[in-house]
Amino acid sequence: DTAVSQTPKYLVTQMGNDKSIKCEQNLGHDTMYWYKQDSKKFLKIMFSYNNKELIINETVPNRFSPKSPDKAHLNLHINSLELGDSAVYFCASRGRNEQFFGPGTRLTVL
Amino acid sequence: SQKIEQNSEALNIQEGKTATLTCNYTNYSPAYLQWYRQDPGRGPVFLLLIRENEKEKRKERLKVTFDTTLKQSLFHITASQPADSATYLCALVLNTGNQFYFGTGTSLTVIP
Repeated sequence: DTAVSQTPKYLVTQMGNDKSIKCEQNLGHDTMYWYKQDSKKFLKIMFSYNNKELIINETVPNRFSPKSPDKAHLNLHINSLELGDSAVYFCASRGRNEQFFGPGTRLTVL
Repeated sequence: SQKIEQNSEALNIQEGKTATLTCNYTNYSPAYLQWYRQDPGRGPVFLLLIRENEKEKRKERLKVTFDTTLKQSLFHITASQPADSATYLCALVLNTGNQFYFGTGTSLTVIP
C-alpha cells in the first residue's frame, strides 16, 4: 500500500493557468508538508499543516494556496502559473521524527 | 543568513571503500539532524537521525556523527556498493520538531 501518494505525477501547462496537485497519506500522521525541489535538487519547505491547521508558511507567493480538507489530505493549488514555478513538488507527512515523502509531481510551465 | 551546505555536489568512489559525506550549517540550532537518500525520480527516504546530545549513531553499514561545536555532521557508508549510488540529503530539524531544512545534497556514485 502506498503510504504517501500524489497526483498527478506529471503536469505540463501554460503560463497563467491555474492547477492543483493532490496529496494523500494513509499513515495516520497529523502533520503534512509541501516542498519544492528545483533543478539543482535543492529541497525547500513551503507549507506545513497539523491536523488541518496551517503551522508553517515559508515566504511562498500567495499564488500558492494549500488546502487540507482532513488530516489525511493536503492539496496545493497554484494560480497564475509562472515559468519559475517549474520544479518537482513533494508532499510529505511526519511520523514520530522522520518524514515520509510522496513520489513527487513534476510541474513544467511553458 | 541561514545555510546548510553539503560537500561537493558529486562524489565518486570505488566499490568497497568508505564514502564520507559532510553537512555543514550556520545560524541554526537544530534539535536533531537527519540523513535521507533520494533516488532519481523518487522522493527522499529517511535513513538515520542523530540528536544534538549524541556524538555518533550507527545502522548497519551507515554511521553518522554530529558535532554541534563545529556545526557539522559526517555521514559514512562503509564497504560501499554500486547500489548505494544516490543523492544523499541532510536535514536539520528545529526544536519545534515541525520545521525541516534540507541541505543541498551530494550525489554519490559507487564505481564497480
